[in-house]
Amino acid sequence: ILNVEQSPQSLHVQEGDSTNFTCSFPSSNFYALHWYRWETAKSPEALFVMTLNGDEKKKGRISATLNTKEGYSYLYIKGSQPEDSATYLCAFEGYGQNFVFGPGTRLSVLP
Amino acid sequence: DSGVTQTPKHLITATGQRVTLRCSPRSGDLSVYWYQQSLDQGLQFLIQYYNGEERAKGNILERFSAQQFPDLHSELNLSSLELGDSALYFCASSARGGGTGELFFGEGSRLTVL
Repeated sequence: ILNVEQSPQSLHVQEGDSTNFTCSFPSSNFYALHWYRWETAKSPEALFVMTLNGDEKKKGRISATLNTKEGYSYLYIKGSQPEDSATYLCAFEGYGQNFVFGPGTRLSVLP
Repeated sequence: DSGVTQTPKHLITATGQRVTLRCSPRSGDLSVYWYQQSLDQGLQFLIQYYNGEERAKGNILERFSAQQFPDLHSELNLSSLELGDSALYFCASSARGGGTGELFFGEGSRLTVL
């Protein structure tokens, strides 16, 4: 069974803090790693799709890195704002395999 | 707005009953995925269709079935419902059958089985 793990499970930070969390996935049969943001009472929205080892993607204050050899990706949020409060999901996509989502990291940014 | 429409948004029914959840993908997207999110669990992949044909199957129970119609909308049928089937069911669509196509999610159908 394919296992995608995320840590921490939840995180509380103060407004203005920078934070990061981890997604761990199998290092074999890698095709792509996806990050999604899921706000309460809304549907998950895609943040990044990464395919190459060493990839780094950035969107505003949010960035992500990818290490396919060791099977992990980091998501960074610089200067967290209350509107960043959400659950952040990663999803592993292997060759010929479907997306496997991790359990998510629930981020709360306190004003 | 992702462009993916799911109906109904909420559904309350009794054990043993059957329900149908409907999904209209984004215009032009050929792939439809169904996911289940139960309390305190992540998104569990159920099934994927691509251009009318089943492409991949996950942990979908035999009591559940799905199909994708020629107009590309999809339906997920849940029968002989049990209390444990209470969950949020998401549909997502993608332009491609696989290969780094990002998923666009609907707002989900919340099913409560009493």
